[in-house]
Order: sequence, then C-alpha cells, then structure tokens
Amino acid sequence: QQPVQSPQAVILREGEDAVINCSSSKALYSVHWYRQKHGEAPVFLMILLKGGEQKGHDKISASFNEKKQQSSLYLTASQLSYSGTYFCGTEREAYSGAGSYQLTFGKGTKLSVIP
Amino acid sequence: DTGVSQNPRHKITKRGQNVTFRCDPISEHNRLYWYRQTLGQGPEFLTYFQNEAQLEKSRLLSDRFSAERPKGSFSTLEIQRTEQGDSAMYLCASSLKGGPLHFGNGTRLTVT
Repeated sequence: QQPVQSPQAVILREGEDAVINCSSSKALYSVHWYRQKHGEAPVFLMILLKGGEQKGHDKISASFNEKKQQSSLYLTASQLSYSGTYFCGTEREAYSGAGSYQLTFGKGTKLSVIP
Repeated sequence: DTGVSQNPRHKITKRGQNVTFRCDPISEHNRLYWYRQTLGQGPEFLTYFQNEAQLEKSRLLSDRFSAERPKGSFSTLEIQRTEQGDSAMYLCASSLKGGPLHFGNGTRLTVT
C-alpha cells in the first residue's frame, strides 16, 4: 500500500524545473506533500483532496488525478532552499467515502539544487 | 503554538532493555500519530490516536510496542525488550481533523 515515488533522486541547477510523481494502487481520499531536510523533521507543503484540484504557493504546486490515483509535485525556477527529500503521503478512501486518517508515506525523492 | 515536542532527543540502550518516549502535541490538536523512520526511507506508520482513543495500529507493529495517550494530551510510546532492528528515528505528529501533520524533531533510538 506504500505509494511509489519517482524519480528517486534528481539534481537541478538553480532556476530549473522539476516534477515529482506519486502513485498508488488504492483509491485515495487525499495526498499530502512534505519536504524533509537532513536531520530535520518533515515539513508540510500542501494537501490535495480527491476532486483533481491543483494547489500551489510560491513556485511549488501540485495536482491530484483521482482516477489514476496519482499526484504530481511541480517545482519551478528552483532555489537552493528547495533541496531536501520530498515525501508524498497518501490517505486511503474508506468504505464510507471519507478518509481513513492513516497517512502512508512513499520512500521519498531526494532533490539537490546546485548553483 | 509551540510545536510538537518530543523527549528525549536521543536514546542509547542495550538490547533487551525497555525504553519509553514522550510526545507533547500542539495543544489544540486532537489527532496524534507515531511514525518510525530509518535512513533513506519515508516515515512508517505505527499508530494513531483521536483524543485518548487509539484508533489504529500498524499490523507490522510487534506486540513489544505499546502507546498511550491518557486524557487526550501527551502520548508515550514504549518498546519492550528492544532489539537492534528497533534502531530508528521515532517521529510524533499531531493534527486537527483533515489538516496537515505537524511533526516533532523525533527521538533517535540506538540499540546496541
């Protein structure tokens, strides 16, 4: 049930764009995105609920395709501060149609932004 | 909002000993989660509380692990008869219903 993230790692130069994908084999209620820097706790980026909405703030946005059970995180004009490991966390859809409350994380995508 | 607090930050113990970790969530958050994270992996779900009720526990979790959240406030995670495979970072997170998880800085456990 662990979501699959791709790519596993990516190296960018400042100003370049990147896309990180997250896919699940189960019906999803929501997808969360977090960034974790070395030695620190994961930090929340955004939540997407089923319905295919796209969210974003600053130069980071995400989409959720509930039919394909896939979410993508878009980082544009990357900055050095974007470096870290990005995790998607997926919340299964319960039989009631609501969320199951349990968040299952992928193995992460390590993003390195170099000058 | 003082954030999620976890104690201790580091714990070194010998195999076979029992350890207990504490988590103080953000005060108005009714949900509390425990996760375990090893190097190069994402956080692995252990258990979840809504207020004082433990609603879900990972099937992967050994009976040596137990968690409590008395009165729906702080939570403790106890590991009995520790094994070297228990070495990991133990993360606590709290949230409001439907909201994002706020993680603490974790307790790093090393079992020798």
